[in-house]
Amino acid sequence: EIVLTQSPGTLSWSPGERATLSCRASQSVSSSYLAWYQQKPGQAPRLLIYGASSRATGIPDRFSGSGSGTDFTLTISRLEPEDFAVYYCQQYGVSPWTFGQGTKVEIK
Amino acid sequence: EVQLLESGGGLVQPGGSLRLSCAASGFTFSAYVMSWVRQAPGKGLVWVSSVSTSGGTTYYADFVKGRFTISRDNSKNTLYLQMNSLRVDDTALYFCAKGLIHMPVWDWGQGTLVTVSS
Repeated sequence: EIVLTQSPGTLSWSPGERATLSCRASQSVSSSYLAWYQQKPGQAPRLLIYGASSRATGIPDRFSGSGSGTDFTLTISRLEPEDFAVYYCQQYGVSPWTFGQGTKVEIK
Repeated sequence: EVQLLESGGGLVQPGGSLRLSCAASGFTFSAYVMSWVRQAPGKGLVWVSSVSTSGGTTYYADFVKGRFTISRDNSKNTLYLQMNSLRVDDTALYFCAKGLIHMPVWDWGQGTLVTVSS
């Protein structure tokens, strides 16, 4: 099983700042089958990034993904008030398809 | 617009059974792999099970293997999850998910809550 470790667990930023979230895999993620999701309280998750760096439909360009192999990053270039949420990475290359434990982005 | 509407959740005693359903609309249901993902209260997302487009191939997380059965009816655009021998730690919000098996979850339902308690 591929274990995904996200860091930090919780981080506080101010609106307008740049946020960088990390996701490290216990073994290489094949063909960059890595996705990022955003989840707000009481809501279902929403797909942000797939294939490590492709934005899903309707996702603002302030969200970007990068990385390959075992190290992946989600960057939010300028935090907007609506971006404060929990973010999960997920690998979908090898069963069981696993999620990271999440990073909570809080308002500073 | 893609819609995934789960139903069938509720309160059940340990050892009991429930059948979840997910009614899909707004896309060609038979063309997509479908999955169930759960989230225990205050916890993260955990993949549970996936089914191929035809329903002929199924995948399960080890912790539900032998207890849960995923299936689909492409004529009714509906996904199912039969859950038997339920345990207290199966308590979670169960999301219907469009995708997985070498693709991300493109769309999510709002979830149906399963509570296993005596």
